Amino acid sequence: ETGVTQTPRHLVMGMTNKKSLKCEQHLGHNAMYWYKQSAKKPLELMFVYSLEERVENNSVPSRFSPECPNSSHLFLHLHTLQPEDSALYLCASSPSDSPYEQYFGPGTRLTVT
Amino acid sequence: RKEVEQDPGPFNVPEGATVAFNCTYSNSASQSFFWYRQDCRKEPKLLMSVYSSGNEDGRFTAQLNRASQYISLLIRDSKLSDSATYLCVVTGGGNKLTFGTGTQLKVEL
Repeated sequence: ETGVTQTPRHLVMGMTNKKSLKCEQHLGHNAMYWYKQSAKKPLELMFVYSLEERVENNSVPSRFSPECPNSSHLFLHLHTLQPEDSALYLCASSPSDSPYEQYFGPGTRLTVT
Repeated sequence: RKEVEQDPGPFNVPEGATVAFNCTYSNSASQSFFWYRQDCRKEPKLLMSVYSSGNEDGRFTAQLNRASQYISLLIRDSKLSDSATYLCVVTGGGNKLTFGTGTQLKVEL
C-alpha cells in the first residue's frame, strides 16, 4: 500500500545527532499527525496539522520539531534525543472533515544510543 | 485512571473459537468509538467503528454501552489471520484519538 509512506523505516542515532523523519500521503487528505508508540504503552499523539497549520501540540519536548510544508508532506526533525525517545514513530493522515478516519504509515523504528 | 483501559492479554484461542475483548474509557464526553487492528511490526488499521446500536461486519461484532463507558468486540469463528493486537480507540476533543494499549490475540491450530 502506498497511501501513507514514511522514510526511513529504521533509524539509529546518537544523542548528539540531528536527523529528520519524513512522511508523505497520497490520499488527498488535509490533516496529518505524528504519533509515538513505545513498548507496552498506548499510541501517544504528538502533533496535529490541519490545512498545514499546527492545531495541537501535546506538550512534546522541544527536541522534537515538526514541519508541514504542504498538505502532502510532514517532517519530524530530531535533535539531542534521549534513549527513552526510542520508539516507533507513526505518521497518519485524515480528511479534514473526517478527522477520526485516520490512515497510518508503516512507521519509523527509532533507536537512540 | 487510564483514559482507555484494555486487558493486554494475550488471548490464546483455537481456530474456530469465539473470543471477546472489552474496553472501558474514562471521558464521558467521548462521542465516537473504534476498533483498530495492529499486526506485529505493522501500522494500526481501522477495523470498524462502534455505534450505540451495535454493529456487525462479517465475523466481527462491536457493542457500545455509554452508561457504563464500555466497548466490546466479539470475533466469531476465529481464523489464524485474526492474530493481531486489537486497539480500542475513543475520541477526545478536536482531531484527537485516544488509544488503549491493545489486547493481543493469538489464534492457534
